[in-house]
Amino acid sequence: DTEVTQTPKHLVMGMTNKKSLKCEQHMGHRAMYWYKQKAKKPPELMFVYSYEKLSINESVPSRFSPECPNSSLLNLHLHALQPEDSALYLCASSLTGGYGANVLTFGAGSRLTVL
Amino acid sequence: GQQLNQSPQSMFIQEGEDVSMNCTSSSIFNTWLWYKQDPGEGPVLLIALYKAGELTSNGRLTAQFGITRKDSFLNISASIPSDVGIYFCAGQTGANSKLTFGKGITLSVRP
Repeated sequence: DTEVTQTPKHLVMGMTNKKSLKCEQHMGHRAMYWYKQKAKKPPELMFVYSYEKLSINESVPSRFSPECPNSSLLNLHLHALQPEDSALYLCASSLTGGYGANVLTFGAGSRLTVL
Repeated sequence: GQQLNQSPQSMFIQEGEDVSMNCTSSSIFNTWLWYKQDPGEGPVLLIALYKAGELTSNGRLTAQFGITRKDSFLNISASIPSDVGIYFCAGQTGANSKLTFGKGITLSVRP
């Protein structure tokens, strides 16, 4: 299995809603990532989990809350988002440690629209 | 921080033509990666380069790691309509450093 699976593919939510994005991989990768991507722009790193521990938070607002329940799963909990948070949210995974460890495998993304 | 420069923002070519795109930086990178992103999908790794001067092919794609370690090139030969998409270069200064992405080049292929 060489895939990163993200659900849902599309999500529309109001500014007062609470929702979650989910990501799953079964490649034995021990690092997992959340990226945010606006149209025609490169992905921007949000969070990195390494061995199920949060290792990088790129100063992301607290209305985004990541969770890594186990080495195969990564969630992104969303609460009180703003319309400018509308974007494609990409999950990625990679092997950890050593040469070439950060070659990322991306999921297809969750397209989020905040009304 | 490190920046990767990709230009132009868009390229338009005829089906069957070859196309070359490059990625430059003022910083030294130890790893260069080329990703392609189709509309509505995540980026997919095309080629990874780990050594200065390295030339690697993947089908019709060829990429090179520049000798100065400050640039990389991607060539696509005999383009076909499914080559349409956004091509991102990405680089790392070390094995565990954050991946830096270029702004991407949108490639259009006219049949």
